[in-house]
Amino acid sequence: DAGVIQSPRHEVTEMGQEVTLRCKPISGHNSLFWYRQTMMRGLELLIYFNNNVPIDDSGMPEDRFSAKMPNASFSTLKIQPSEPRDSAVYFCASSLTGPHEKLFFGSGTQLSVL
Amino acid sequence: AQSVTQLGSHVSVSEGALVLLRCNYSSSVPPYLFWYVQYPNQGLQLLLKYTTGATLVKGINGFEAEFKKSETSFHLTKPSAHMSDAAEYFCAVSRLTGNQFYFGTGTSLTVIP
Repeated sequence: DAGVIQSPRHEVTEMGQEVTLRCKPISGHNSLFWYRQTMMRGLELLIYFNNNVPIDDSGMPEDRFSAKMPNASFSTLKIQPSEPRDSAVYFCASSLTGPHEKLFFGSGTQLSVL
Repeated sequence: AQSVTQLGSHVSVSEGALVLLRCNYSSSVPPYLFWYVQYPNQGLQLLLKYTTGATLVKGINGFEAEFKKSETSFHLTKPSAHMSDAAEYFCAVSRLTGNQFYFGTGTSLTVIP
């Protein structure tokens, strides 16, 4: 298996632009997580999907952030409009059944908003 | 409520020395406990996991951790550090019911030749 695949690996954009991050979980995994990692705040859970349904989105910072999972093999995290404080590494992770199982992480997307 | 505290954001050890990374948790119910490692420019990888049963858990790369309920701790150890162990280590807690999975703030391990 190729593991969790994220794209792009790096994204540089200007403030105010829309940013879309993509994730393909491991086939057969029912749970998908989006995390944000910064030096100041560490690893923050943004949203958790189970069977394509958002279960917990309490970590989504504000309305500028939205996440979708239209099918079991694809998820997106969108930021619109982007701001410099959104600069971070965004990780997608998947697991077989839920948050108590082993999480498999993608390589992350390094986002820089200028 | 659940949370996890990692004592020491930076730990330095000499090559060949004992590695000890500390993790304490708070949980109102028996927890599931994890240690993950993050190498530079990579995602996190699971080192080991405790669910039930034997309290001493062995993981990959020679690491192990012991669940001590009386101390609410799950410290990570390795008898002899290698240069390749230099990375960021995260302790995490969850439980079978519910949706929460909490990561600690991480401990950066430096191995000195």
